[in-house]
Amino acid sequence: DGGITQSPKYLFRKEGQNVTLSCEQNLNHDAMYWYRQDPGQGLRLIYYSQIVNDFQKGDIAEGYSVSREKKESFPLTVTSAQKNPTAFYLCASSTRDTSGTGELFFGEGSRLTVL
Amino acid sequence: SQELEQSPQSLIVQEGKNLTINCTSSKTLYGLYWYKQKYGEGLIFLMMLQKGGEEKSHEKITAKLDEKKQQSSLHITASQPSHAGIYLCGGRNSGGYQKVTFGIGTKLQVIP
Repeated sequence: DGGITQSPKYLFRKEGQNVTLSCEQNLNHDAMYWYRQDPGQGLRLIYYSQIVNDFQKGDIAEGYSVSREKKESFPLTVTSAQKNPTAFYLCASSTRDTSGTGELFFGEGSRLTVL
Repeated sequence: SQELEQSPQSLIVQEGKNLTINCTSSKTLYGLYWYKQKYGEGLIFLMMLQKGGEEKSHEKITAKLDEKKQQSSLHITASQPSHAGIYLCGGRNSGGYQKVTFGIGTKLQVIP
């Protein structure tokens, strides 16, 4: 079935370590997104990509990095520069059309805990 | 950047009661989305609104977008425990494939 797969579902990391979260989609969507969710703060956009080999910073990109080498994949690296990385991370994808109104399809999320 | 404000942030209703959640944007919306989330899980798509004055319904949930495309309301009729969760509105602030931002969410509890 088509969808978005995020892995791992749970991840523990020591302070000072980088960690990469995987996001894969088989929906043939051009656009992909990474959001961070903290209690009481809704979803905040980290990075988004409209097409392969191109991506833009969202509202809270500091301490994160992404790549978009393949259409299906949009991995997110949480670097040691991210001061408060413990959070729930959600990946999404959408179609890309001239009206730009395609809905977002979300993965099940990855919960990162920094020890 | 666009900001989406949701109200109320939390809502507790008795089963069978109606309720409304509001979402207000500081800018004109080019696409307004409503999602539902169970705690710690992904988001489930409910509805998408694009045109001013548009209204859509799915089962007991109705969403409207005002004529100016800056405010949307989500109405649940005869609420059930299965409606409990976090409701989020998301929006695109310009045409084309631009970023989508979300409101803070409304936590709904339905008491049997």
